[in-house]
Amino acid sequence: DTAVSQTPKYLVTQMGNDKSIKCEQNLGHDTMYWYKQDSKKFLKIMFSYNNKELIINETVPNRFSPKSPDKAHLNLHINSLELGDSAVYFCASSQGPRGANTGELFFGEGSRLTVL
Amino acid sequence: DAKTTQPPSMDCAEGRAANLPCNHSTISGNEYVYWYRQIHSQGPQYIIHGLKNNETNEMASLIITEDRKSSTLILPHATLRDTAVYYCIVTNTGRRALTFGSGTRLQVQP
Repeated sequence: DTAVSQTPKYLVTQMGNDKSIKCEQNLGHDTMYWYKQDSKKFLKIMFSYNNKELIINETVPNRFSPKSPDKAHLNLHINSLELGDSAVYFCASSQGPRGANTGELFFGEGSRLTVL
Repeated sequence: DAKTTQPPSMDCAEGRAANLPCNHSTISGNEYVYWYRQIHSQGPQYIIHGLKNNETNEMASLIITEDRKSSTLILPHATLRDTAVYYCIVTNTGRRALTFGSGTRLQVQP
């Protein structure tokens, strides 16, 4: 069983389109994250939710909107896609909002978004 | 979070120990040292973490100097599957997410 699963794994779309990436974790964790890894391979935190409540919102364009219907799911919706949005998006989860304190974030396999 | 410095790349022979250094000279008293790795095209994977004592688990050992200004991740018997980018992260208990740097690309050679 996959602990943190993301869909789709690959997404190719045109500029201006709206797309969503879904994430689900079956670990019973209460905190979930979205990270972006760009072409230079830097991993940057975008959002974090704890028990469906947004607790981290880094400087991300408001075209990006996370939604957490329950604590096991954190979806990422992107409006008006731009070329610079092309990246690999990783979902992660941890137990407790201070995932860094407990020592372990569990990451999904990533969703590679290509905007043409 | 304290800044960390890691060599951009290292090579290691298969079966030998891989010793990955990390400098964190500005670390403060309540900051932990974490190690993650990212194998090509996969999500990052937690390896180990510590505060001031040396730590060991089934994957690796973490050696933290007495002044805590540097640490070394040791993979005792590197295999080809250990080829990955290794990230050293220093963060305090109040942070709510991990900040990844550029890491060290470890290439295990056959």
